[in-house]
Amino acid sequence: DSGVTQTPKHLITATGQRVTLRCSPRSGDLSVYWYQQSLDQGLQFLIHYYNGEERAKGNILERFSAQQFPDLHSELNLSSLELGDSALYFCASSPDGTSGGARLAKNIQYFGAGTRLSVL
Amino acid sequence: AQTVTQSQPEMSVQEAETVTLSCTYDTSESDYYLFWYKQPPSRQMILVIRQEAYKQQNATENRFSVNFQKAAKSFSLKISDSQLGDAAMYFCAYRAIGGTSYGKLTFGQGTILTVHP
Repeated sequence: DSGVTQTPKHLITATGQRVTLRCSPRSGDLSVYWYQQSLDQGLQFLIHYYNGEERAKGNILERFSAQQFPDLHSELNLSSLELGDSALYFCASSPDGTSGGARLAKNIQYFGAGTRLSVL
Repeated sequence: AQTVTQSQPEMSVQEAETVTLSCTYDTSESDYYLFWYKQPPSRQMILVIRQEAYKQQNATENRFSVNFQKAAKSFSLKISDSQLGDAAMYFCAYRAIGGTSYGKLTFGQGTILTVHP
């Protein structure tokens, strides 16, 4: 168990709909990363939040948005869903800038079990 | 932009034998991290081994070891005494230390490893 919790495990929805994926990071981790895994695109970085602030954006569509709340959990919102949005969505957490610990240990990303989204 | 390439879409090995998975990457940075993650059929991403670029010593974790060749930008994973539970998709990943790419993992395409009894 990585300590990162993602809900729900599975989501089945229709085109045009909106869904919210939730991620609770490991205790003490300030960073949350979102990744999308699809057959054609592989594993791709979407967005990074650190202690409530957006730090970096990757290949994230304008229909997608995310936020990190004061309790450090994060939500990824996907709207106007298309068939091509069907994928496995992972969140990962990392201590990153928190004090203490070896440098490499602070920069390891621990992944949740993922949310499998099926758009029909 | 950094890129990671895994040139072997599939590999197979006999139980108890040794197998090596290849990974090359492209970066202009001198300091960075490299990782191998394992994704079994459950789809969970599990960290296998990690390496800091400024450390010349190759990382080892029990039956898993890496051959890190910084000048060649190569980071291969060796699995010794292969077990049935090692069967999975293996991803090589790069993480920048600083700059605009800091934080995110850049993954290779993955290598499916089959272990034959």
